[in-house]
Amino acid sequence: TQLLEQSPQFLSIQEGENLTVYCNSSSVFSSLQWYRQEPGEGPVLLVTVVTGGEVKKLKRLTFQFGDARKDSSLHITAAQPGDTGLYLCAPRGSGTYKYIFGTGTRLKVLA
Amino acid sequence: GAGVSQSPRYKVAKRGQDVALRCDPISGHVSLFWYQQALGQGPEFLTYFQNEAQLDKSGLPSDRFFAERPEGSVSTLKIQRTQQEDSAVYLCASSQTGSGSPLHFGNGTRLTVT
Repeated sequence: TQLLEQSPQFLSIQEGENLTVYCNSSSVFSSLQWYRQEPGEGPVLLVTVVTGGEVKKLKRLTFQFGDARKDSSLHITAAQPGDTGLYLCAPRGSGTYKYIFGTGTRLKVLA
Repeated sequence: GAGVSQSPRYKVAKRGQDVALRCDPISGHVSLFWYQQALGQGPEFLTYFQNEAQLDKSGLPSDRFFAERPEGSVSTLKIQRTQQEDSAVYLCASSQTGSGSPLHFGNGTRLTVT
């Protein structure tokens, strides 16, 4: 059984602080997606990472896929209240179409 | 349409009633997924369609859950004899293909069973 953990589960920080959230598994993945979900809405794709060690930047967000493709991190620089939401990682195994979602990190950025 | 549309937005059912949840995917999207999201949790996979074919229904929690996509576009998730534990948000997502293209989610149907 694939075990997928996201940490921390909850994070409350002040505007302007930096933070990192993690997505870890014992399985190797062919790719991994990060989504952000706001209350009452469906998740929205932020990024897809495919290659081990890959780093992608999206404005103040930096995503990294682990060298062994078992884990990933999301770093936010100078967080803003608009970054508030549930951050979900969703890896996909090799040869499968199915994305499995983690339990998410619920981020609150206070003004 | 511009995005994935789900209806109804909210559904309250008495225990034992049957419900039907509708999903209109993005036009031309081959793949369609249903997920169940309990309060405070991430979405859990229920079932997957490629066009009209249901290729995976391994996540359906019981035989009370049934999904169809008869013409390869609109999909319906039906829950028979609803139970309180069925209360959750049901999310539909579509993608162009099944192999790594991003999922486009609807805003979900919040089902409350009383």
